[in-house]
Amino acid sequence: DVKVTQSSRYLVKRTGEKVFLECVQDMDHENMFWYRQDPGLGLRLIYFSYDVKMKEKGDIPEGYSVSREKKERFSLILESASTNQTSMYLCAGSTGQGIGEPQHFGDGTRLSIL
Amino acid sequence: AQSVTQPDIHITVSEGASLELRCNYSYGATPYLFWYVQSPGQGLQLLLKYFSGDTLVQGIKGFEAEFKRSQSSFNLRKPSVHWSDAAEYFCAVLTGTASKLTFGTGTRLQVTL
Repeated sequence: DVKVTQSSRYLVKRTGEKVFLECVQDMDHENMFWYRQDPGLGLRLIYFSYDVKMKEKGDIPEGYSVSREKKERFSLILESASTNQTSMYLCAGSTGQGIGEPQHFGDGTRLSIL
Repeated sequence: AQSVTQPDIHITVSEGASLELRCNYSYGATPYLFWYVQSPGQGLQLLLKYFSGDTLVQGIKGFEAEFKRSQSSFNLRKPSVHWSDAAEYFCAVLTGTASKLTFGTGTRLQVTL
């Protein structure tokens, strides 16, 4: 079965820190995604990547960047964390082998910025 | 732009009762539609998907959904709810390339015993 793993379930950081959220997939996923999930807002796409070293902005990229140096790893970076970035962050992957191929999700990282 | 609306933020049903969760989409062409479920503290799990063909789609855990183009709807149903179905449910539509999805805001299901 497909496995998407996020390195931390819970993370507490301070305002102004540089924060790294890591996501690893064990399948040959072409596409990887980072979302944030907030009550009443559903999931909003931050960034996605359709190949190594390729990235595209999603709907809410401000304050974030990403890195994909290897196919299996997709990192989300908060350059200077702020309290409004406290949220649940979800990583997902899809094979990219067909239109509408479903995304497979990790269990999420609940990030608190103090 | 493509969008998904889930009108019900929170629904409570009794165990054994039937369930219908509403989803309306806005999309110019034939949509690719998905339902995902999120149990507490977990990521999202795919329940079912619709691309084309039969408008009644069967999924996992006894769920089904019906695509109605005339109503721009893709409602999720289950004949008899179990306490373990308590979770948050998200409807989503495929947006553009690279399997991008646009999600609704979710419906939280509570099941009373």
